[in-house]
Amino acid sequence: QKEVEQNSGPLSVPEGAIASLNCTYSDRVSQSFFWYRQYSGKSPELIMSIYSNGDKEDGRFTAQLNKASQYVSLLIRDSQPSDSATYLCAVNDYGQNFVFGPGTRLSVLP
Amino acid sequence: SAVISQKPSRDICQRGTSLTIQCQVDSQVTMMFWYRQQPGQSLTLIATANQGSEATYESGFVIDKFPISRPNLTFSTLTVSNMSPEDSSIYLCSVEDWRNEQFFGPGTRLTVL
Repeated sequence: QKEVEQNSGPLSVPEGAIASLNCTYSDRVSQSFFWYRQYSGKSPELIMSIYSNGDKEDGRFTAQLNKASQYVSLLIRDSQPSDSATYLCAVNDYGQNFVFGPGTRLSVLP
Repeated sequence: SAVISQKPSRDICQRGTSLTIQCQVDSQVTMMFWYRQQPGQSLTLIATANQGSEATYESGFVIDKFPISRPNLTFSTLTVSNMSPEDSSIYLCSVEDWRNEQFFGPGTRLTVL
């Protein structure tokens, strides 16, 4: 049974700071890793996908993957109040179903 | 990414009744999925909707309770049958693209009284 773990939070950071969100997974053969943002009352929105070890940057977001340690993280630079949401980590093997973590609630304080 | 719509967006239903939720995609997709998200919880996969064959259900979900149709590559329905208050949840459909990324519809918020 694959497991994906995240700290539930809430994680509170001041506006302009770096928010660091972490995710660990149990299945070593996992190949694809995703971060979703979910605002209250809305559906999840894909913000980053990462498939190889290392960093992947997209605007203010950086995803970091370390397959040997079985963790994936998301950094949000220059955090804004509009980044306040729940962030879901998801893990997948090709041909298998997604497994979602419980989500981390982020609060960016003005 | 594909544009996904769901109907209804929300509904309030009586115990013992059934509700059918529709999911429409603006392009043909191979993989469609149905998820449930209970209040304050993460996403739980109900089933994979297979075009032209029966859906593949996850552990804890059965066809009699959650029948699914997938008549073509752009449309699927999920029925929540013989509802009880425990079925109150958000139901989401999603599609997967060639990069193995999933995109979600806006969801259906169901309340069972």
